Amino acid sequence: GQNIDQPTEMTATEGAIVQINCTYQTSGFNGLFWYQQHAGEAPTFLSYNVLDGLEEKGRFSSFLSRSKGYSYLLLKELQMKDSASYLCAALDSNYQLIWGAGTKLIIKP
Amino acid sequence: GAVVSQHPSWVICKSGTSVKIECRSLDFQATTMFWYRQFPKQSLMLMATSNEGSKATYEQGVEKDKFLINHASLTLSTLTVTSAHPEDSSFYICSVTSGGDSYEQYFGPGTRLTVT
Repeated sequence: GQNIDQPTEMTATEGAIVQINCTYQTSGFNGLFWYQQHAGEAPTFLSYNVLDGLEEKGRFSSFLSRSKGYSYLLLKELQMKDSASYLCAALDSNYQLIWGAGTKLIIKP
Repeated sequence: GAVVSQHPSWVICKSGTSVKIECRSLDFQATTMFWYRQFPKQSLMLMATSNEGSKATYEQGVEKDKFLINHASLTLSTLTVTSAHPEDSSFYICSVTSGGDSYEQYFGPGTRLTVT
């Protein structure tokens, strides 16, 4: 079957760095997405990785290892507004998104 | 990115009634739209894929006669929850893809449905 695993909840301190991990098992693979979702709102796009390596975009970076079925989202210089759920989603061979359950990130002052 | 709107943003209805939710792609023509449902503290659950001019493809376990999807134009898809029950109360979100080589999904703001 197809499966996405990510931690349910993480806590970090304002100004610090946090890494949210995601492992995936899909039938075929055409890339991995990270989305941010604030409570009561729709998800917003953060990143897309299809090749191995690290993609940096401001305070957020995303890493992919296709051989390991593994990705992480790295958030630097955490701000209170970064408190949200972070959703990992893999694109399978049918180009359908398989969604993880999301990681709720709590930022403390 | 694409701009997607949904209407209404929230709705309260009585059990047994039907509710229609609209999803509009405001700045480009979307041949494919997706409908998701999200229960509190859970992830997105894909309900169906809506293709303009053809029947929607429903995910396993989603009743197509209960959740009617119409994608009559390249900018509008509607989801009608028929004979709603309290267990249908959820956050319904649509998304679109711009097509081509981009598989990024752009989400609407969501519709919160409460069935009393």
